[in-house]
Amino acid sequence: EAQVTQNPRYLITVTGKKLTVTCSQNMNHEYMSWYRQDPGLGLRQIYYSMNVEVTDKGDVPEGYKVSRKEKRNFPLILESPSPNQTSLYFCASKVRGAGADEQFFGPGTRLTVL
Amino acid sequence: GENVEQHPSTLSVQEGDSAVIKCTYSDSASNYFPWYKQELGKRPQLIIDIRSNVGEKKDQRIAVTLNKTAKHFSLHITETQPEDSAVYFCAASIGNTDKLIFGTGTRLQVFP
Repeated sequence: EAQVTQNPRYLITVTGKKLTVTCSQNMNHEYMSWYRQDPGLGLRQIYYSMNVEVTDKGDVPEGYKVSRKEKRNFPLILESPSPNQTSLYFCASKVRGAGADEQFFGPGTRLTVL
Repeated sequence: GENVEQHPSTLSVQEGDSAVIKCTYSDSASNYFPWYKQELGKRPQLIIDIRSNVGEKKDQRIAVTLNKTAKHFSLHITETQPEDSAVYFCAASIGNTDKLIFGTGTRLQVFP
């Protein structure tokens, strides 16, 4: 089954404790992206990657890191989480090409930073 | 920076009525406009999209219209049903790229 998976689905942590949220897709998509969803603010892009070893900042990259060592995986790293990073996070992937193809979303990761 | 405005933020309709959600985008080079539906606790899923060379697209009870001159696009849902209740997001591409800018969402409630 073609899909985007994320782990963990739920995470409660404390300020300053490094964490990684994994994202994996089995559709051979070149483009992958991380979004955060907050009430009243919609989906905002954190980082994106157009292919292996190619990553770039989105609209709200502060406090986050990513890596793209393999085509299928795009982990999101919070080196020192803070309470303002409490949010619902979505990974998405798509075929590259002219902004005209569907982005497929993962199931989401609800993160709470105390 | 580029942005997408979406209105209304909440919309309540009676079952069987129509619902319209409107978005305005700022990037005149945007060429792709998807609409995503997000049910409670679920991931966003694409329900319909339109490209800049088309003015209108319809899929059963759902239609999207695009006015490039005014930089407006709208989602129309006819004969609404309770299962249409969800949050709807519009988005616009940044120019001819893969990047999307999303609107802030509309919570649609359809009352039986």
